[in-house]
Amino acid sequence: SQTIHQWPATLVQPVGSPLSLECTVEGTSNPNLYWYRQAAGRGLQLLFYSVGIGQISSEVPQNLSASRPQDRQFILSSKKLLLSDSGFYLCAYTPGTGGDEQFFGPGTRLTVL
Amino acid sequence: QQQVKQSPQSLIVQKGGISIINCAYENTAFDYFPWYQQFPGKGPALLIAIRPDVSEKKEGRFTISFNKSAKQFSLHIMDSQPGDSATYFCAASWDYKLSFGAGTTVTVRA
Repeated sequence: SQTIHQWPATLVQPVGSPLSLECTVEGTSNPNLYWYRQAAGRGLQLLFYSVGIGQISSEVPQNLSASRPQDRQFILSSKKLLLSDSGFYLCAYTPGTGGDEQFFGPGTRLTVL
Repeated sequence: QQQVKQSPQSLIVQKGGISIINCAYENTAFDYFPWYQQFPGKGPALLIAIRPDVSEKKEGRFTISFNKSAKQFSLHIMDSQPGDSATYFCAASWDYKLSFGAGTTVTVRA
């Protein structure tokens, strides 16, 4: 069966500190991977997506970056966090077998103080 | 620019009643329309989805109605239960990417 993991579940960081959020998928090869941000009481904003190792597309210019060092690993990073980076970060995948369904991870709640 | 517009922002329904959430889109390239259910502090869960060549899809108490000419689609929750209280998001997909509506918070009163 397929599963998706994100960690950490919650994170409190000071302004100006670095960030690294990790997402891993199990049970499928060559998935499409996605990072979303959800502000409080808002919809989901697509930040980055990847169709393969080392292939990253950015949807919104911002203070964040993404990397895909392994087939089923997706990392969201920042060198210096801003207050506006606070939010609920969600990783999602589409199985490598194809199709349009996206399945979401449990999310990381980031608070920047 | 929001590509998918969702309404209402919130709704309250009595147990056993029908919840209806509406979405509209502009981009005719969209070819897949899913609905997600999200509980507080959790990731969204795929609920039901439809393609534009189908006008209606039903799974249990959840039904999607799709009007391609009007570029609108809706979610109907029949026999609403307290456990259905959640935020629901419509979305539309094109080129592997989903565009989400702003969400509707549904509260089912017992």
